[in-house]
Amino acid sequence: GAVVSQHPSRVICKSGTSVKIECRSLDFQATTMFWYRQFPKQSLMLMATSNEGSKATYEQGVEKDKFLINHASLTLSTLTVTSAHPEDSSFYICSAPLFSSTDTQYFGPGTRLTVL
Amino acid sequence: DQQVKQNSPSLSVQEGRISILNCDYTNSMFDYFLWYKKYPAEGPTFLISISSIKDKNEDGRFTVFLNKSAKHLSLHIVPSQPGDSAVYFCAAGYGNKLVFGAGTILRVKS
Repeated sequence: GAVVSQHPSRVICKSGTSVKIECRSLDFQATTMFWYRQFPKQSLMLMATSNEGSKATYEQGVEKDKFLINHASLTLSTLTVTSAHPEDSSFYICSAPLFSSTDTQYFGPGTRLTVL
Repeated sequence: DQQVKQNSPSLSVQEGRISILNCDYTNSMFDYFLWYKKYPAEGPTFLISISSIKDKNEDGRFTVFLNKSAKHLSLHIVPSQPGDSAVYFCAAGYGNKLVFGAGTILRVKS
């Protein structure tokens, strides 16, 4: 099956610093990638859609200036959590569809962010 | 507003028996549905999907049933195996948007 990787898998940072999370499609090209976050014992919540060559589209309630998304190439999207605070601590997961944006999404392994 | 609901937070099943995981949705715009399996600290793994034009899709031990009039879908796993123990998320999609349920923890006892 299609493979999506994320880096880093875990990160601990101090409050006020910025953290960058990478999402890569390893064996296919993805013009669209999705970023989700999951709080403990809760569902995955879509944060934003990352579009190669254009701006990301954010879901309602997600601060675009805080969660910067850059779809640098057809295989790489990055999520930067700027000026992180403890309430940003969460599990961040990216996904990419194999063909069209409505195709089955393949998920990365996730990144556990802990902000002290 | 929870558009996709998995009302059972957990389910315990004996090895070899059938596991039935349920999911309800409210938005009629959803036109495809998926089930994902997730282990702790890992991303979800795609299991099986179904289009809104179908009422059943089968893949090995996994079968998904869709009842559009009731806005209900279910995942049947038979026979259940201990390795099936995980969190199962149902997701509903329209366009490129996926909305997830809260998940059901399945424990298969040997």
